[in-house]
Amino acid sequence: NAGVTQTPKFRVLKTGQSMTLLCAQDMNHEYMYWYRQDPGMGLRLIHYSVGEGTTAKGEVPDGYNVSRLKKQNFLLGLESAAPSQTSVYFCASRPSSGGGNEQFFGPGTRLTVL
Amino acid sequence: DAKTTQPPSMDCAEGRAANLPCNHSTISGNEYVYWYRQIHSQGPQYIIHGLKNNETNEMASLIITEDRKSSTLILPHATLRDTAVYYCIVRGRDNAGNNRKLIWGLGTSLAVNP
Repeated sequence: NAGVTQTPKFRVLKTGQSMTLLCAQDMNHEYMYWYRQDPGMGLRLIHYSVGEGTTAKGEVPDGYNVSRLKKQNFLLGLESAAPSQTSVYFCASRPSSGGGNEQFFGPGTRLTVL
Repeated sequence: DAKTTQPPSMDCAEGRAANLPCNHSTISGNEYVYWYRQIHSQGPQYIIHGLKNNETNEMASLIITEDRKSSTLILPHATLRDTAVYYCIVRGRDNAGNNRKLIWGLGTSLAVNP
């Protein structure tokens, strides 16, 4: 199993450009999450999904959109990138039941907006 | 949502036990305490979680005080590869009142020295 993978690993955007970050998991997990991590701050939840076709806002959703058309994929979109969105983005997934709240994380995407 | 307080940094000699404290004085009766760690430039990794009783797995032990207001993560024989940021997290609630999200703080940066 590859676990949780993220594409791309690095990206540089200009202000106003758009892009989509892809998260894929092969563990048949129901729940998926998008976080951002900035220096001096803990991970902050952007959006999450509790199943295919459903999404919900997290702590810092403004400027981002998400889609979960397939159970294994969770896409994070930036329609008009801003320098404040320069960050490291992590995707995570977990099963809906069984175990605790153990989340499995991807390796991250480092995004720079100029 | 319960918050956690951790020392910003700690040192430990290789081969010795690393004891990482966490205060969560506002934790409610049904909230779990989770520990994750993040090695530099990687995604966070789940370590252990608990509710009331002490827990142990292949990675670490978790000691929770009887009043549940604090806990300690113990790495019994720290190695250089245990150098990471360790996060103590209490599971919070989303806007609908459901337990969904993990509330991340800044963690403790543990340096294991040879």
